[in-house]
Parts: sequence; C-alpha cells; structure tokens
Amino acid sequence: GAVVSQHPSRVICKSGTSVKIECRSLDFQATTMFWYRQFPKQSLMLMATSNEGSKATYEQGVEKDKFLINHASLTLSTLTVTSAHPEDSSFYICSAAGTSYNEQFFGPGTRLTVL
Amino acid sequence: EDQVTQSPEALRLQEGESSSLNCSYTVSGLRGLFWYRQDPGKGPEFLFTLYSAGEEKEKERLKATLTKKESFLHITAPKPEDSATYLCAVQAGSGGYQKVTFGTGTKLQVIP
Repeated sequence: GAVVSQHPSRVICKSGTSVKIECRSLDFQATTMFWYRQFPKQSLMLMATSNEGSKATYEQGVEKDKFLINHASLTLSTLTVTSAHPEDSSFYICSAAGTSYNEQFFGPGTRLTVL
Repeated sequence: EDQVTQSPEALRLQEGESSSLNCSYTVSGLRGLFWYRQDPGKGPEFLFTLYSAGEEKEKERLKATLTKKESFLHITAPKPEDSATYLCAVQAGSGGYQKVTFGTGTKLQVIP
C-alpha cells in the first residue's frame, strides 16, 4: 500500500503554544487528506477533510480557527493546533487518498501532550 | 446520522481458536466498508475494502464478508501476532464528499 508519514511522532508543549503537524504522502499524489483525532480507548473521529489548493471542510464541533489545516501540495498537508490546551492532548492521525476515496492510507500518528 | 457498531469490544482467544468479529452499520448510501488493524500507539493499517453485499475478501488468516447490514471479520487459527485492535469503517454519501465513519473497534488478544 501507499506510504504516509507524519512528523513529529511525539510532541510535548506548554499550554498556550502552537504546534504544527505535517502529513506527507511519500509515493503517490493525495488529492484529499483527512485529519482524525483519537482519544484513549476511543475510535478515530474525523476532524476535517482537505483537498489540495482549497479550504478544509471541518466536521461539526471542530473549531476551524483552532485547528488550522493547510493542504498546499498533492503530497503535504499540515495541521496547526493553535494556543493548545491540555484538553487538546490526543493522538492525531492523518490519512491520504488518491483520486478514489475507496482507500485511505494512514500515517503513523502524532501523540500531542499539552502540559 | 451514520452509525457503526462493533462487537465484541474485546475478545480473548487461545492460539488456534477461530472466531469472528462483527461490524453493524446504519448508513445512507454505502460506498464501501473498510477493515483496519491498529497496534497500540500506531496508525491504522488497511486490511480490506468491501463494496457490495455478498462480497468476500481474504488475506492470510483473515476473511471479511459483507451483508446489507453488517460485516464479519473471520479469524481462522489465530496466532499471537494477530493481537491488535480491529477497526471497521464505512464510507457513505454521494457526490464529491463521502464521509468515513469508524466504529470503536474490537480489541483482540491471542494467547499462546
């Protein structure tokens, strides 16, 4: 399957700082990228869907001004958690899809801990 | 609202003891049903996509089946390395935006 990378894999930050997470599709062009959040012992919750070159579509209840998504190219999407607070601590996972939605390839995830 | 329910929440099997995991779904306009495997602290690993009722797919000790209301992931003669959380997800909708909804997963433990 296709390879998707995320960076960093783990980040610890102080409350009030902003954190940027990168998601890259290494061997295919991702027309669509998805950002998920996973709390302990819970399943993945879709946060937003982004298409290259256009604004992201956020799920209900997800603050677009807090979770900034940029999909600048067919291989890179970034999620910036602005003014992070302890309740934002979670496992953030991205996935990428090509021209078909039928398969999403997931990145390894980023563990965010806000102190 | 699309709903995906997985059962059981947790399953403990002896090595070699076959069993099945269930994924029930209620969606409007099913486009595809996915099975993933997730190891602790890692992202999900794609296993199968099923598109229509009656379809079956196999990979090593795993076999996925689909009906109009549910999907089963059959595990034949499991080994300890099959221990993981198995996630089911459905893709539904029409047009350019087809949302994927995940179930909460079944945590499988295979004991040697």
